[in-house]
Amino acid sequence: DTAVSQTPKYLVTQMGNDKSIKCEQNLGHDTMYWYKQDSKKFLKIMFSYNNKELIINETVPNRFSPKSPDKAHLNLHINSLELGDSAVYFCASSQDPYNEQFFGPGTRLTVL
Amino acid sequence: AQSVTQLGSHVSVSEGALVLLRCNYSSSVPPYLFWYVQYPNQGLQLLLKYTSAATLVKGINGFEAEFKKSETSFHLTKPSAHMSDAAEYFCAVGPDKLNFGTGTRLQVFP
Repeated sequence: DTAVSQTPKYLVTQMGNDKSIKCEQNLGHDTMYWYKQDSKKFLKIMFSYNNKELIINETVPNRFSPKSPDKAHLNLHINSLELGDSAVYFCASSQDPYNEQFFGPGTRLTVL
Repeated sequence: AQSVTQLGSHVSVSEGALVLLRCNYSSSVPPYLFWYVQYPNQGLQLLLKYTSAATLVKGINGFEAEFKKSETSFHLTKPSAHMSDAAEYFCAVGPDKLNFGTGTRLQVFP
């Protein structure tokens, strides 16, 4: 059983489009995260939700909007995609904000 | 603010040799420290974590790390490298918002 899953695994799209990435965890965790890994492998947190409430919102363009319909899901919607949004996006979850985080396999987004 | 610095973006060792990956942290509060490994085209997997218990932390796959407050370090070691250890290794400081280092690519030569 996959603990943290993301769909799709690959996403290729044109500039200006709107796209979503979905994340689900079956670990019963209360906290979920989105990270962005750029082409140089640098990982940076974007958002974090605890019990469906936003607790971390880094300086991310407001074209990025996370949505947590329930504790097991945290989706990422991106409007008006730009070339610079090309990256690998990782979802993660943890029991609470003070425990280790479990990462999903990543979604490689390519904006043409 | 909390941060980590990984010294050396690439480390190459021979199979069977000692692996040493360096990480120094900066934190105004007692840190939670983590090492993660990323294999090609995969997500991150937790190797080990330090959360103010024992200073010598043992992880999976024979890795361990020692928390040294006086040196603000949390270096990752493994006595004998295997070919399967070749991957990208990330040090991170938390809790909650993990701040990652820039990663160290480990190459293992036969």
